[in-house]
Amino acid sequence: NAGVTQTPKFRILKIGQSMTLQCTQDMNHNYMYWYRQDPGMGLKLIYYSVGAGITDKGEVPNGYNVSRSTTEDFPLRLELAAPSQTSVYFCATYSTGGVGQPQHFGDGTRLSIL
Amino acid sequence: DQQVKQNSPSLSVQEGRISILNCDYTNSMFDYFLWYKKYPAEGPTFLISISSIKDKNEDGRFTVFLNKSAKHLSLHIVPSQPGDSAVYFCAAEKYNQGGKLIFGQGTELSVKP
Repeated sequence: NAGVTQTPKFRILKIGQSMTLQCTQDMNHNYMYWYRQDPGMGLKLIYYSVGAGITDKGEVPNGYNVSRSTTEDFPLRLELAAPSQTSVYFCATYSTGGVGQPQHFGDGTRLSIL
Repeated sequence: DQQVKQNSPSLSVQEGRISILNCDYTNSMFDYFLWYKKYPAEGPTFLISISSIKDKNEDGRFTVFLNKSAKHLSLHIVPSQPGDSAVYFCAAEKYNQGGKLIFGQGTELSVKP
């Protein structure tokens, strides 16, 4: 059971380049999230989705875009990479079993922008 | 505006002793609080949670205490084991907010043999 799979695990980008961080889940969860974690900080929500075709902004959405065409996939797009986007990115899913249900996280993508 | 705060970046404890990790919050509308554990190069994994209508929840060696009047919660690990060495995140959730979590900065626990 793979759970939440993120690819790639590591990536170095040059300023101004673009890339897509992939997230795939096999738990059939409707809710999916993208977080970023900067050094010494907690996770901050970038975007989230409550189901295929529905996405919404989180706390720090600037510089990112998302799409959700299927239940399984929730890619995160960086269009013009900036040094401030150097971070570790985590994708998570959530079962709509009620408040307090835990989110399930992937192992992250470590992104450096130089 | 940091709604969830973990003011201790690190904690070192001897194996077999109690570890106490603290978390403070500012928003009285939070309905649930969760603790996550994170090892290096892995994603956070859920540890234990507590509803805002309770003041204690226990699961094996892990107990979470909630003091609503002080807007404070703590995670107790007894006895601490070297495998507990990790970063612990406190997170808060409001009902009907799509499961969105607000995380604290994390506390790195080191349990020494």
